[in-house]
Amino acid sequence: GESVGLHLPTLSVQEGDNSIINCAYSNSASDYFIWYKQESGKGPQFIIDIRSNMDKRQGQRVTVLLNKTVKHLSLQIAATQPGDSAVYFCAENISGGTSYGKLTFGQGTILTVHP
Amino acid sequence: NAGVTQTPKFRILKIGQSMTLQCAQDMNHNYMYWYRQDPGMGLKLIYYSVGAGITDKGEVPNGYNVSRSTTEDFPLRLELAAPSQTSVYFCASSYSSKGGTEAFFGQGTRLTVV
Repeated sequence: GESVGLHLPTLSVQEGDNSIINCAYSNSASDYFIWYKQESGKGPQFIIDIRSNMDKRQGQRVTVLLNKTVKHLSLQIAATQPGDSAVYFCAENISGGTSYGKLTFGQGTILTVHP
Repeated sequence: NAGVTQTPKFRILKIGQSMTLQCAQDMNHNYMYWYRQDPGMGLKLIYYSVGAGITDKGEVPNGYNVSRSTTEDFPLRLELAAPSQTSVYFCASSYSSKGGTEAFFGQGTRLTVV
């Protein structure tokens, strides 16, 4: 969920495996969701997004699934590579109105890919 | 394109000192944001701006000030630095859209207050 803690969830996988990173979002009014990748010492980098009128969206080696009923988002990475090692954040937003693109970030998950 | 550029990359401040974190974007984005990221945590919104001359508070604005005199620049000011402001600061920008858009982030400024 959106509990705040000092230790991020971690996921360790072997190179070539598929990875699934999960995120529970907080606001049922959110209608736009983004997954960001953050490598050590760098800013968040956009991976993939999805709008609430969809439940699945695919990119290159990545798939995002959205379950609005339980307010859950997941990121699937196929054939995970060592370069995928990073912290992954989900972010939610309410489009339009007075949201002005402000993002609410989840806690993040540390993905470590072993060669 | 340079995207979002932040300076400095690192800074150590003594308690009570002040400084300005610089942020510039060359994408002609209307919306700009300042986030802070504490160790092991997600990003929290400090201030944001929807255009030149317009700024508003985010989730954690205390101890900070901002200004937006141009579309390109969005500096963040710390007036009286406190140890609680030790963090990594990220500036971001996005183009205005009613459909929800991604934010582009700078590389961050790592600030330590001692």
